[in-house]
Amino acid sequence: AQRVTQPEKLLSVFKGAPVELKCNYSYSGSPELFWYVQYSRQRLQLLLRHISRESIKGFTADLNKGETSFHLKKPFAQEEDSAMYYCAYGGSQGNLIFGKGTKLSVKP
Amino acid sequence: DTGVSQDPRHKITKRGQNVTFRCDPISEHNRLYWYRQTLGQGPEFLTYFQNEAQLEKSRLLSDRFSAERPKGSFSTLEIQRTEQGDSAMYLCALRGSSGANVLTFGAGSRLTVL
Repeated sequence: AQRVTQPEKLLSVFKGAPVELKCNYSYSGSPELFWYVQYSRQRLQLLLRHISRESIKGFTADLNKGETSFHLKKPFAQEEDSAMYYCAYGGSQGNLIFGKGTKLSVKP
Repeated sequence: DTGVSQDPRHKITKRGQNVTFRCDPISEHNRLYWYRQTLGQGPEFLTYFQNEAQLEKSRLLSDRFSAERPKGSFSTLEIQRTEQGDSAMYLCALRGSSGANVLTFGAGSRLTVL
């Protein structure tokens, strides 16, 4: 079945530690992948897209077609990074197919 | 500016009642999407519009769910004869004008069915 998998429900790290949020997908073809973030009491918002190949708020994500992965990484986590993170795949209808999300908790 | 307003923010209703949610784009956008999000899950795609045309209906969860976008601007999502399992956050999203699959989400309408 076509799906996006985020294996970790919760990831807890200390401030300044590296963080990696995992995402695997099971679609064929040329994938279009995204990371969305939802901070407490805020709406879901785009963090980054794989085709932009940019770093946003210190986060990067590299598409690995061989491993069908799009893991999100940041070398030094900050407390303000605490949020829900969703990996998403761009569907053929312009929609997004989301994973279940990973809650990142950055402790002081 | 890609902004979207949703109303109401929270609706509490009794089982069996009908509810309607409204999504208002701040500016003109061709594509409008509806999603549902339940606790512990990512957003789940329900339906979408290209202007006033509803191009995907098969993902709507049952025939109790219906959506409209009569003038190609605002949209409504109606749930008839609500059930407790319908309790969720209902999200509206707009596709940006750049043509990329980037969606901008509203704050959502939370439904609680008692």
